[in-house]
Amino acid sequence: EAQVTQNPRYLITVTGKKLTVTCSQNMNHEYMSWYRQDPGLGLRQIYYSMNVEVTDKGDVPEGYKVSRKEKRNFPLILESPSPNQTSLYFCASRRTADSNQPQHFGDGTRLSIL
Amino acid sequence: AQKITQTQPGMFVQEKEAVTLDCTYDTSDQSYGLFWYKQPSSGEMIFLIYQGSYDEQNATEGRYSLNFQKARKSANLVISASQLGDSAMYFCALYTGGAAGNKLTFGGGTRVLVKP
Repeated sequence: EAQVTQNPRYLITVTGKKLTVTCSQNMNHEYMSWYRQDPGLGLRQIYYSMNVEVTDKGDVPEGYKVSRKEKRNFPLILESPSPNQTSLYFCASRRTADSNQPQHFGDGTRLSIL
Repeated sequence: AQKITQTQPGMFVQEKEAVTLDCTYDTSDQSYGLFWYKQPSSGEMIFLIYQGSYDEQNATEGRYSLNFQKARKSANLVISASQLGDSAMYFCALYTGGAAGNKLTFGGGTRVLVKP
C-alpha cells in the first residue's frame, strides 16, 4: 500500500530536549516536505526536498533541521524545542516537484513542548 | 509572495444541498496549480481536486468541482449533494515553482458542518 509514515504520532516533551520526527514514503517519490498546522493558519511549509541531498527552506524554517540522505526518508529535527513549536506536523511527498501532482500526506504527528 | 485566502472560517449546509467554498489567491507566476484538500476530524489530509493554471476546463472529480476564474484569481470548490461525511475542514492550496522555490501554500481553511 502506498503510504507516508510518520513517527511518533504523539509526543509530549520538555523544552530543550532534542527530538526527531521520522518520515518515510514507499512510493519512490522525489519530492518531500514538512508542514506544521496551527489553528486559523492552515498548513505552513517548514522545509522541502527536491531529491536526495537537496533541501530548502519553506516559510517557517526557524528552529528546525532536516536531512535527505535516502530517497525514502526525510526526518524533521528539533535541536532545542520550545513551546511555540507545539503543533500538528505533517510530512508529505509527491512523485516530482511538478505542480500538477497531489501530495500524499502522512497521518500527522502531534507535538506538545512543555 | 504567494498568498491564498479562504474568507469563510465555517459554514453549515443542509444534507443533499450544494455548497461553495471560496478561495482566492495571489501569485506573480504564470504557471501554478491549485489544490483542494479535506481534513476530517480524524486529522488526515485527503486530496480532492486539482486545477492547473493553463487548464481551460474547470476540474471535476465526482461530486467535487472547481470553479476556476483566472482573471479574478479565484478557485472555489463546489460540493454537490452534500453528505454527512462531508463534514470536515477544507483547505485550498496554491503550488508555485518559480524563483521563490517549489512551495505549496495553504489557506486558513473552512470548516463545513453538514446538517441532517
